[in-house]
Amino acid sequence: SYEVTQPPSVSVSPGQTATITCSGDALRNQYAYWYQQKPGRAPVLLIYKDVERPSGIPARFSGSTSGTSVVLTITGVQAEDEADYYCQSIDNTEKFVVFGGGTKLTVL
Amino acid sequence: QVALRESGPALVNVTQTLTLTCTFSGFSLTTNNMCVSWVRQPPGKALEWLALIDWDDDKYYSPFLQTRLTISKDTSKNQVALILSNVSPVDTATYYCARSSDCGGVEFYFDYWGLGTLVTVSS
Repeated sequence: SYEVTQPPSVSVSPGQTATITCSGDALRNQYAYWYQQKPGRAPVLLIYKDVERPSGIPARFSGSTSGTSVVLTITGVQAEDEADYYCQSIDNTEKFVVFGGGTKLTVL
Repeated sequence: QVALRESGPALVNVTQTLTLTCTFSGFSLTTNNMCVSWVRQPPGKALEWLALIDWDDDKYYSPFLQTRLTISKDTSKNQVALILSNVSPVDTATYYCARSSDCGGVEFYFDYWGLGTLVTVSS
């Protein structure tokens, strides 16, 4: 089945670098997208087309890709970055959109 | 500017049919490659995509729920509706509508989201 997986949690101290990996066979041929969601809020697009950053998203957020995995990197983590992060892709043949299970980033 | 807003009942009884409406502004669903999707999120759980409708009135559904879902649009009112039949407590969730502005190509992502509406299914 078409799915992407990510770790349930990541912890990092302020100022350190956080990495969240999203994996799935389909990512070899499809773009991945990243969203940040804070409690009680709607998701916000962080990264599109694996590595592109929308305007208004701080430069400390970056994306990279390698084979069947994509990585969200947050360089110089700040307390305000504590949130849930979701990767998303799509089976474009069936137009079936998938989300990863989400990763809770804790800033220690 | 682009905005989306979900509306519908906060409480639905088991086996009933849930109807939600997404009212949007700042764009048109008649524009090529424009889509609106519904995404839900049970309390404390992950996002789950449900359905999308595109500018050409093509409709796509999650294979896990397609027998219970119907999506439609009213371009004159700038609205997209979602119907979920035969609800159960597991359908309790915040329901979001979200826009994709390039859904006809190889990219597909949600660039604008509504605030969401919490629907509780009561047994």
